[in-house]
Amino acid sequence: GAVVSQHPSRVICKSGTSVKIECRSLDFQATTMFWYRQFPKQSLMLMATSNEGSKATYEQGVEKDKFLINHASLTLSTLTVTSAHPEDSSFYICSARDGPRGGYTFGSGTRLTVV
Amino acid sequence: AQTVTQSQPEMSVQEAETVTLSCTYDTSESDYYLFWYKQPPSRQMILVIRQEAYKQQNATENRFSVNFQKAAKSFSLKISDSQLGDAAMYFCAYRRNNAGNMLTFGGGTRLMVKP
Repeated sequence: GAVVSQHPSRVICKSGTSVKIECRSLDFQATTMFWYRQFPKQSLMLMATSNEGSKATYEQGVEKDKFLINHASLTLSTLTVTSAHPEDSSFYICSARDGPRGGYTFGSGTRLTVV
Repeated sequence: AQTVTQSQPEMSVQEAETVTLSCTYDTSESDYYLFWYKQPPSRQMILVIRQEAYKQQNATENRFSVNFQKAAKSFSLKISDSQLGDAAMYFCAYRRNNAGNMLTFGGGTRLMVKP
């Protein structure tokens, strides 16, 4: 089946530094990928929609200058958290549509801790 | 805007028994998909079952089945013969039938399975 690989799975960074998270579709092409943020014991909140070859679409309230998204190829989207602060600590998950029947495959998530 | 509501924050079931998780949604669309995703402690999102809105027949996947009531905008998940491995967060999700549209998630239901 479709596989989405997300790296790193865990990252700890210092406040003020930037962190890049990668999301790759391994056996299919993903023209669109989605980035979610999940706080403990809460649901997934869509941050942005990443479109190959064009600018990402951000949800209301998400700072596009802080959460930089690049989707340079049909199999890779990256999320860069710039100038990270402790409040950015969260679980970030990417997903991609995996076929015509409307399903989505998710990456395994990245736990970001900013100290 | 579409909304998805899961009214049961937590449910528990005895091993081998049956449990039903509730989900309602609000949409003005007629063509859409509905999903149930499982998120175990590993936090990997796993597709449990999907339903196309145009299909009247309820989807079934082994021990998992849905009761899809389109007019009532209700989409419940029934888990039969519950197993310890079924313990997880369960998210109901909605997607409009258009290429690239994102998933809208409910708030989740934590299912506990008692041995």
